[in-house]
Amino acid sequence: SYVLTQPPSLSVAPGQTASIPCGGNNIGGKNVHWHQQKPGQAPVMVIYDDSERPSGIPERFSGSNSGNTATLTISRVEAGDEADYYCQVWDGISAQGVFGSGTTVTVL
Amino acid sequence: QVTLKESGPVLVKPTETLTLTCTVSGFSLTNSIMGVNWIRQPPGKALEWLAHIFSNDEKSYSTSLKTRLTISKDTSKSQVVLTMTNMDPVDTATYFCARMRWESGSGKIDPWGQGILVTVSS
Repeated sequence: SYVLTQPPSLSVAPGQTASIPCGGNNIGGKNVHWHQQKPGQAPVMVIYDDSERPSGIPERFSGSNSGNTATLTISRVEAGDEADYYCQVWDGISAQGVFGSGTTVTVL
Repeated sequence: QVTLKESGPVLVKPTETLTLTCTVSGFSLTNSIMGVNWIRQPPGKALEWLAHIFSNDEKSYSTSLKTRLTISKDTSKSQVVLTMTNMDPVDTATYFCARMRWESGSGKIDPWGQGILVTVSS
Protein backbone atom coordinates (compact mmCIF):
# COMPACT_ATOMS: atom_id res chain seq x y z
CA SER A 1 0.00 0.00 0.00
CA TYR A 2 1.02 3.60 -0.53
CA VAL A 3 3.07 5.18 2.28
CA LEU A 4 3.47 8.85 3.18
CA THR A 5 6.42 9.84 5.37
CA GLN A 6 6.63 12.94 7.57
CA PRO A 7 9.15 14.03 10.21
CA PRO A 8 7.72 13.59 13.71
CA SER A 9 8.40 17.13 14.85
CA LEU A 10 9.51 20.57 13.82
CA SER A 11 10.34 23.63 15.92
CA VAL A 12 10.18 27.17 14.60
CA ALA A 13 10.50 30.64 16.10
CA PRO A 14 7.62 33.12 15.80
CA GLY A 15 7.78 35.07 12.58
CA GLN A 16 9.91 32.47 10.83
CA THR A 17 8.92 29.97 8.15
CA ALA A 18 8.01 26.33 8.78
CA SER A 19 8.36 23.85 5.92
CA ILE A 20 6.80 20.42 6.50
CA PRO A 21 7.76 17.72 3.99
CA CYS A 22 5.63 14.74 3.03
CA GLY A 23 7.44 12.02 1.12
CA GLY A 24 5.87 9.41 -1.13
CA ASN A 25 6.74 7.48 -4.25
CA ASN A 26 6.00 9.82 -7.16
CA ILE A 27 3.73 11.87 -4.93
CA GLY A 28 4.01 14.62 -7.51
CA GLY A 29 1.54 12.64 -9.60
CA LYS A 30 -1.11 12.74 -6.90
CA ASN A 31 -3.29 15.44 -5.36
CA VAL A 32 -2.06 16.17 -1.84
CA HIS A 33 -4.16 17.65 0.92
CA TRP A 34 -3.04 18.93 4.32
CA HIS A 35 -4.92 18.87 7.61
CA GLN A 36 -4.20 20.80 10.80
CA GLN A 37 -5.17 19.29 14.15
CA LYS A 38 -4.93 21.24 17.37
CA PRO A 39 -5.03 19.40 20.72
CA GLY A 40 -8.45 18.01 21.54
CA GLN A 41 -9.95 19.12 18.24
CA ALA A 42 -10.95 17.53 14.97
CA PRO A 43 -8.64 18.11 12.00
CA VAL A 44 -9.24 20.99 9.62
CA MET A 45 -8.15 21.01 5.98
CA VAL A 46 -5.73 23.87 5.36
CA ILE A 47 -4.49 23.03 1.83
CA TYR A 48 -6.11 20.96 -0.91
CA ASP A 49 -4.98 19.87 -4.37
CA ASP A 50 -1.32 20.53 -3.53
CA SER A 51 -1.54 24.31 -3.19
CA GLU A 52 -5.13 25.55 -2.92
CA ARG A 53 -6.36 27.26 0.23
CA PRO A 54 -9.92 26.78 1.49
CA SER A 55 -11.80 29.92 2.37
CA GLY A 56 -10.91 31.17 5.81
CA ILE A 57 -7.37 29.77 5.79
CA PRO A 58 -4.71 32.52 6.06
CA GLU A 59 -2.52 33.26 3.06
CA ARG A 60 0.45 32.34 5.26
CA PHE A 61 -0.36 28.71 4.48
CA SER A 62 0.87 27.44 1.11
CA GLY A 63 1.74 24.13 -0.49
CA SER A 64 3.77 22.61 -3.28
CA ASN A 65 4.20 19.14 -4.74
CA SER A 66 6.81 17.72 -7.08
CA GLY A 67 8.72 14.50 -7.57
CA ASN A 68 8.70 12.48 -4.39
CA THR A 69 7.97 15.29 -1.93
CA ALA A 70 5.03 17.54 -1.13
CA THR A 71 5.59 20.47 1.20
CA LEU A 72 3.35 22.54 3.44
CA THR A 73 4.82 25.95 4.16
CA ILE A 74 3.69 28.22 6.96
CA SER A 75 5.08 31.74 6.63
CA ARG A 76 5.36 34.22 9.49
CA VAL A 77 4.57 31.51 12.01
CA GLU A 78 2.34 32.46 14.95
CA ALA A 79 1.77 30.79 18.30
CA GLY A 80 -1.67 29.75 17.11
CA ASP A 81 -0.08 27.60 14.40
CA GLU A 82 1.10 25.08 16.98
CA ALA A 83 -0.58 21.83 15.94
CA ASP A 84 -0.15 18.47 14.30
CA TYR A 85 -0.12 18.54 10.51
CA TYR A 86 -1.03 15.56 8.34
CA CYS A 87 -0.64 15.12 4.61
CA GLN A 88 -3.27 13.00 2.86
CA VAL A 89 -3.82 11.50 -0.57
CA TRP A 90 -6.24 9.11 -2.22
CA ASP A 91 -4.38 6.16 -3.69
CA GLY A 92 -6.31 5.33 -6.83
CA ILE A 93 -4.47 2.04 -7.35
CA SER A 94 -5.58 0.52 -4.06
CA ALA A 95 -8.71 2.72 -3.78
CA GLN A 96 -7.78 3.76 -0.27
CA GLY A 97 -7.22 6.94 1.65
CA VAL A 98 -3.73 7.45 3.03
CA PHE A 99 -2.49 9.76 5.78
CA GLY A 100 1.05 10.69 6.59
CA SER A 101 2.40 9.96 10.05
CA GLY A 102 1.94 13.55 11.13
CA THR A 103 4.30 16.36 12.12
CA THR A 104 4.02 18.24 15.39
CA VAL A 105 4.89 21.90 14.91
CA THR A 106 6.13 23.67 18.02
CA VAL A 107 6.45 27.45 18.11
CA LEU A 108 9.39 28.38 20.31
CA GLN B 1 -23.50 24.72 6.50
CA VAL B 2 -22.09 21.22 6.18
CA THR B 3 -21.86 19.23 9.41
CA LEU B 4 -21.20 15.63 10.38
CA LYS B 5 -21.76 14.12 13.81
CA GLU B 6 -20.71 10.73 15.09
CA SER B 7 -22.77 8.72 17.56
CA GLY B 8 -22.53 5.34 19.19
CA PRO B 9 -21.24 3.58 22.29
CA VAL B 10 -18.28 5.08 24.12
CA LEU B 11 -17.41 1.78 25.80
CA VAL B 12 -17.39 -1.68 24.26
CA LYS B 13 -16.09 -4.98 25.53
CA PRO B 14 -13.42 -7.07 23.82
CA THR B 15 -14.81 -9.35 21.08
CA GLU B 16 -17.96 -7.20 20.73
CA THR B 17 -19.04 -5.49 17.51
CA LEU B 18 -18.88 -1.70 17.35
CA THR B 19 -21.56 0.17 15.42
CA LEU B 20 -21.05 3.88 14.78
CA THR B 21 -23.41 6.25 13.01
CA CYS B 22 -22.49 9.44 11.17
CA THR B 23 -25.38 11.84 10.67
CA VAL B 24 -24.74 14.46 8.01
CA SER B 25 -26.42 17.72 7.13
CA GLY B 26 -25.89 20.41 4.53
CA PHE B 27 -25.26 17.96 1.69
CA SER B 28 -26.87 14.90 0.16
CA LEU B 29 -25.39 11.41 0.26
CA THR B 30 -26.75 10.95 -3.27
CA ASN B 31 -24.78 13.90 -4.66
CA SER B 32 -22.44 12.39 -7.26
CA ILE B 33 -19.36 14.26 -6.00
CA MET B 34 -19.86 13.45 -2.31
CA GLY B 35 -18.68 10.54 -0.23
CA VAL B 36 -18.09 9.85 3.46
CA ASN B 37 -15.00 8.48 5.18
CA TRP B 38 -14.41 6.91 8.56
CA ILE B 39 -11.03 7.67 10.12
CA ARG B 40 -9.70 6.85 13.57
CA GLN B 41 -6.98 8.12 15.89
CA PRO B 42 -5.67 6.16 18.89
CA PRO B 43 -4.76 8.40 21.84
CA GLY B 44 -1.55 10.27 21.08
CA LYS B 45 -1.15 8.64 17.69
CA ALA B 46 -1.66 9.44 14.03
CA LEU B 47 -4.78 9.42 11.91
CA GLU B 48 -5.70 6.11 10.27
CA TRP B 49 -8.08 5.92 7.32
CA LEU B 50 -10.63 3.10 7.67
CA ALA B 51 -13.30 3.19 4.98
CA HIS B 52 -15.14 5.26 2.38
CA ILE B 53 -18.54 5.04 0.75
CA PHE B 54 -19.26 6.73 -2.57
CA SER B 55 -22.53 8.27 -3.70
CA ASN B 56 -23.17 5.24 -5.93
CA ASP B 57 -22.77 2.98 -2.87
CA GLU B 58 -19.34 1.73 -3.93
CA LYS B 59 -17.20 0.98 -0.87
CA SER B 60 -13.49 1.02 -0.09
CA TYR B 61 -11.77 -0.39 2.98
CA SER B 62 -8.38 -0.30 4.66
CA THR B 63 -6.49 -3.40 3.57
CA SER B 64 -5.40 -4.19 7.13
CA LEU B 65 -8.93 -4.00 8.56
CA LYS B 66 -11.22 -4.92 5.68
CA THR B 67 -12.19 -8.29 7.13
CA ARG B 68 -13.63 -6.53 10.19
CA LEU B 69 -15.25 -3.46 8.65
CA THR B 70 -18.56 -2.79 6.95
CA ILE B 71 -19.68 0.64 5.78
CA SER B 72 -23.21 1.40 4.64
CA LYS B 73 -25.54 4.33 4.26
CA ASP B 74 -29.20 5.23 4.66
CA THR B 75 -29.81 8.17 2.35
CA SER B 76 -33.32 8.76 3.71
CA LYS B 77 -31.84 9.37 7.15
CA SER B 78 -28.66 11.09 5.89
CA GLN B 79 -26.64 8.55 7.85
CA VAL B 80 -23.51 6.50 7.23
CA VAL B 81 -22.90 3.51 9.46
CA LEU B 82 -19.62 1.75 10.24
CA THR B 83 -19.46 -1.61 11.94
CA MET B 84 -16.24 -3.12 13.24
CA THR B 85 -16.27 -6.68 14.51
CA ASN B 86 -14.19 -8.41 17.16
CA MET B 87 -13.13 -5.28 19.00
CA ASP B 88 -9.85 -5.31 20.92
CA PRO B 89 -8.28 -2.85 23.36
CA VAL B 90 -5.91 -1.71 20.59
CA ASP B 91 -9.00 -0.40 18.77
CA THR B 92 -9.45 2.23 21.47
CA ALA B 93 -9.48 5.48 19.54
CA THR B 94 -11.37 8.58 18.54
CA TYR B 95 -13.43 7.72 15.48
CA PHE B 96 -14.14 10.50 13.00
CA CYS B 97 -16.43 10.65 10.03
CA ALA B 98 -15.62 13.19 7.33
CA ARG B 99 -17.01 14.20 3.98
CA MET B 100 -15.04 13.44 0.83
CA ARG B 101 -15.62 15.84 -2.01
CA TRP B 102 -14.63 14.47 -5.41
CA GLU B 103 -13.67 17.02 -8.03
CA SER B 104 -11.31 16.72 -10.98
CA GLY B 105 -10.33 13.23 -9.84
CA SER B 106 -9.26 14.49 -6.44
CA GLY B 107 -10.85 13.44 -3.16
CA LYS B 108 -10.73 16.16 -0.51
CA ILE B 109 -11.61 15.34 3.09
CA ASP B 110 -13.55 18.32 4.42
CA PRO B 111 -15.16 18.93 6.82
CA TRP B 112 -14.66 16.51 9.70
CA GLY B 113 -17.04 15.51 12.43
CA GLN B 114 -16.11 16.23 16.04
CA GLY B 115 -15.18 12.60 16.67
CA ILE B 116 -16.26 10.07 19.27
CA LEU B 117 -13.86 8.41 21.70
CA VAL B 118 -14.48 4.68 21.87
CA THR B 119 -12.79 2.70 24.64
CA VAL B 120 -12.47 -1.06 24.45
CA SER B 121 -12.28 -2.60 27.90
CA SER B 122 -13.82 -5.39 29.90
